[in-house]
Amino acid sequence: SQQGEEDPQALSIQEGENATMNCSYKTSINNLQWYRQNSGRGLVHLILIRSNEREKHSGRLRVTLDTSKKSSSLLITASRAADTASYFCATDRPTGNQFYFGTGTSLTVIP
Amino acid sequence: DAGVTQSPTHLIKTRGQQVTLRCSPKSGHDTVSWYQQALGQGPQFIFQYYEEEERQRGNFPDRFSGHQFPNYSSELNVNALLLGDSALYLCASSLGRQGWDEQFFGPGTRLTVL
Repeated sequence: SQQGEEDPQALSIQEGENATMNCSYKTSINNLQWYRQNSGRGLVHLILIRSNEREKHSGRLRVTLDTSKKSSSLLITASRAADTASYFCATDRPTGNQFYFGTGTSLTVIP
Repeated sequence: DAGVTQSPTHLIKTRGQQVTLRCSPKSGHDTVSWYQQALGQGPQFIFQYYEEEERQRGNFPDRFSGHQFPNYSSELNVNALLLGDSALYLCASSLGRQGWDEQFFGPGTRLTVL
């Protein structure tokens, strides 16, 4: 079963614009991570944010975490055509016994 | 430095057959996790191996089994294949007892069950 849900399911923007996608999850977490997947192949780790952190940056990526609302957002600034991919949030619980991916957001960046 | 490798790339089987998928972790990693990803869905956790033992398991039936070898490579076995087992099977490696931080994924094996 999926622990998280991404919103929106699909997003289409022009190159240079910012892209924001959201993730909501159901239970307490230990860490939240974002991954990117190109064309149904392997996933690439983007960023990890721990439950005691509220914001994290990595290059053009900005991730926020609100544990009171059980939600996270991923912002990609100055998007490029190469950012076209599916983006998934993933969480692990304090018990550490499973790892859950969300349903994903499909991002299309139009050149 | 080789990343995570998986074999085969594609596989076609018929219902009732058995299949074995293979994974070699990134150099220096000792933990291997397996995921099933149906078309249009997020990956679902099958199980995780650490020190040659199954450490965690998701909600998958016993038809799904695995193994980890002393060199940390791993196999996923699926018995009595069903049509619903058709999916992309992803292997991920990581380091350490926690095993969830920054997993490195292989390209996956596309399994089609006819």
